[in-house]
Parts: sequence; C-alpha cells; structure tokens
Amino acid sequence: EAGVVQSPRYKIIEKKQPVAFWCNPISGHNTLYWYLQNLGQGPELLIRYENEEAVDDSQLPKDRFSAERLKGVDSTLKIQPAELGDSAVYLCASSLGSVPTDTQYFGPGTRLTVL
Amino acid sequence: AQTVTQSQPEMSVQEAETVTLSCTYDTSESDYYLFWYKQPPSRQMILVIRQEAYKQQNATENRFSVNFQKAAKSFSLKISDSQLGDAAMYFCAYGEGAQKLVFGQGTRLTINP
Repeated sequence: EAGVVQSPRYKIIEKKQPVAFWCNPISGHNTLYWYLQNLGQGPELLIRYENEEAVDDSQLPKDRFSAERLKGVDSTLKIQPAELGDSAVYLCASSLGSVPTDTQYFGPGTRLTVL
Repeated sequence: AQTVTQSQPEMSVQEAETVTLSCTYDTSESDYYLFWYKQPPSRQMILVIRQEAYKQQNATENRFSVNFQKAAKSFSLKISDSQLGDAAMYFCAYGEGAQKLVFGQGTRLTINP
C-alpha cells in the first residue's frame, strides 16, 4: 500500500513569491490534514478536511494561505505571497476517518525555504 | 487550550539499554487520547503507541511501553532493548474527539553503539 505522497520534497523561493504544495493521501482515507512544523518544534495543525470539506481551518492564516481538496482526494496548500517566516516543513497526513482510533499517517513533508 | 510539554530536548542511550522519555500535558477533559510519534531523519512521522485515557492499563507495543499517570497528567515512553533504528525525534501528542492533535516540542533520541 502506498503511503501519503507529497511533492515537492524541497522548495526554495524568494519572498513575496507564491508557492504550492501537493498531497495525495492513502487511498480510501477520508480525512486529510496539513501541518506546519517549524525547526525543532512539533507539528501544528493548519487545516483538516473531511472528504472535500474543510472542517477545521482555525489555525490557517487566511490572508496568505489557502487550501483545497476539490474531489475529496488529493489536496493543495498554497502560500501567496510567501514571507521569510514561512520557512518550515509542511506535512500532510491522512486517516480513514476522524475518530481518535483512526491512525494519522504522515507524508515525508515539503521543506520550504524562503529567501 | 491543551498543552503538551516534553522537558527533555535530547536523550541518549547505549544500544540494548532502556530509556524513558517524559511527557506531561494539561487538559480539563476526562476523555482523550495520548500518542507517541517517531520522526526519523527522513521526516516521515510514524505512530509508535497510543493510550486511551479511560483505560487504566498501560499500552504496550513490543519494545515500547508507556507509563500513563492520569492524575499527574504524565505520559512517559519506555523503550527497552534500544536499537540503532530507534534513533529519531520522538513527539508526544494529545488528542480528543475529532483527531485534533497537539504535539509537544519533541525529544531527540540518540542510540550509542
């Protein structure tokens, strides 16, 4: 079974440029998460999807961040414009559902560097 | 808001020895879940073990076990017979209801051969 796939693995951009990250969850997983992980810290939830519906986006900075999961499968997280402080690892995870016994499976992440 | 604290930024252990990683959390809820995740240098986080707060029995997964002290809000991870492949960042996490996990700052575990 394929795991959670993320691309790109690394991205370097100039500040004020846009950037997008892509995630393909494990097949059959209805719940998809985007996390932000700063260096030396634990992940912090940005947004959670149940199928195509964003059910928790309270931590997503909506002035510059957006996300979509149009067909309830893969998802894209976008930053426009990027700021220096956005340099971090962006992790995607998926689970069958959203009960605590549904294990979250993480992808390898995208390391973003904003210059 | 719930918080998770890992007071040990780094730990090291000799191969084949036992090591315990500490975690405390703060919550006013009575029904919740606690997790330990492992993040090797490749960055892919993997669930190590899960504990339901309503269960008094400590969870065990092979060489990994927890010491769950609900009243003290403590949730430590014990790794027995440490192996080189156990080297990683370990994150303690708290979750309730709809899978919103709150992670600690992590503990970097080094295994000395």
